[in-house]
Amino acid sequence: KAGVTQTPRYLIKTRGQQVTLSCSPISGHRSVSWYQQTPGQGLQFLFEYFSETQRNKGNFPGRFSGRQFSNSRSEMNVSTLELGDSALYLCASSREGANVLTFGAGSRLTVL
Amino acid sequence: AQKITQTQPGMFVQEKEAVTLDCTYDTSDQSYGLFWYKQPSSGEMIFLIYQGSYDEQNATEGRYSLNFQKARKSANLVISASQLGDSAMYFCAMRSPSGGSNYKLTFGKGTLLTVNP
Repeated sequence: KAGVTQTPRYLIKTRGQQVTLSCSPISGHRSVSWYQQTPGQGLQFLFEYFSETQRNKGNFPGRFSGRQFSNSRSEMNVSTLELGDSALYLCASSREGANVLTFGAGSRLTVL
Repeated sequence: AQKITQTQPGMFVQEKEAVTLDCTYDTSDQSYGLFWYKQPSSGEMIFLIYQGSYDEQNATEGRYSLNFQKARKSANLVISASQLGDSAMYFCAMRSPSGGSNYKLTFGKGTLLTVNP
């Protein structure tokens, strides 16, 4: 059974650019959540999607956005990148009604 | 507001010994879930164990057990017979309220466990 797949695994951008990260959930999982992990702030919730609708949103500026497609795959976008956006971005998926969230390996973004 | 506190930034344990990683939580919800995840240096978050607030028995998964003390709001992870491969960062997390459409996890700062041979 394939796990949660995140692409790309590593990327380097410069300030002011934008980036799009992709997450393919486990087959049958319709909930997809995104988290940002930095050394200073730890793990912080970005947003969660279910059936192409954003259900929950964390406390991040509008530069951070996401979407979910009909096949449950999700993308998140960060526009006008800042140095502080350098982080590991983790995606997690879950079956509706399940307790456990399964995480992917993450996308490590470096902003120069 | 929900909060998870892990007071041990780092822990050391000898191979084959048991170790306890501390976690305290705060929430005003009656229904919540507590998780432990392991994060090796590769970055992936690996689910270890789950405890629901209404579960009367402490959760166990192989060498992992969760010491759940509801009145003290603590959910400590016990790893028995430590192995070198257990060296990693360990995160305690909470989903509060649990169930419904809430899939947001609140994480602690983590504990870096080092297993010595």
